[in-house]
Amino acid sequence: DTEVTQTPKHLVMGMTNKKSLKCEQHMGHRAMYWYKQKAKKPPELMFVYSYEKLSINESVPSRFSPECPNSSLLNLHLHALQPEDSALYLCASSHPLRGRAYGYTFGSGTRLTVV
Amino acid sequence: EDQVTQSPEALRLQEGESSSLNCSYTVSGLRGLFWYRQDPGKGPEFLFTLYSAGEEKEKERLKATLTKKESFLHITAPKPEDSATYLCAVRSNYGGSQGNLIFGKGTKLSVKP
Repeated sequence: DTEVTQTPKHLVMGMTNKKSLKCEQHMGHRAMYWYKQKAKKPPELMFVYSYEKLSINESVPSRFSPECPNSSLLNLHLHALQPEDSALYLCASSHPLRGRAYGYTFGSGTRLTVV
Repeated sequence: EDQVTQSPEALRLQEGESSSLNCSYTVSGLRGLFWYRQDPGKGPEFLFTLYSAGEEKEKERLKATLTKKESFLHITAPKPEDSATYLCAVRSNYGGSQGNLIFGKGTKLSVKP
């Protein structure tokens, strides 16, 4: 299994809703990442988990709450989002040793629309 | 400050017309330069990793090269299915042992039949 699986693929939510994005990998990678990508822009790092511990939080607003329940799963909990948070949310993973050779593996993303 | 600059922003080619994409970078402690392909609405697809000046990697019609300041992605005899946005990223020392990928803005390639 050489994939990062993200669900759902599309999500429309109101500004008062609570929703979660899910990411799963079974490659034995011990680093997992959340990126946000706006249209025609490059991905921007949000969070990094290394060995299930949060190691980087790029000054992301608290309405985004990451969670890493185990080495294969990564969640992003969403609450009280704003329309400007609409974007493609990408999950990625890397192996701490093999990341040097293989780079990061990205999922297909969740297209989030906040109305 | 770590930076990645890609040029051109957009490139239109005829099928079979070879060309190159450029990625120039400034980074403290380079831990790898990565090329990705991204189709609309999809996640980036890994193509190559380069670590040392002079290193080259090839895959089908694509060849990536690296110098101390820039990388080139050469596309030989492209086909319409090569149309995509090509992203260059560098991995820096920031973020501890896992580092962090810093992306350029990408080059949108269109290949016409």
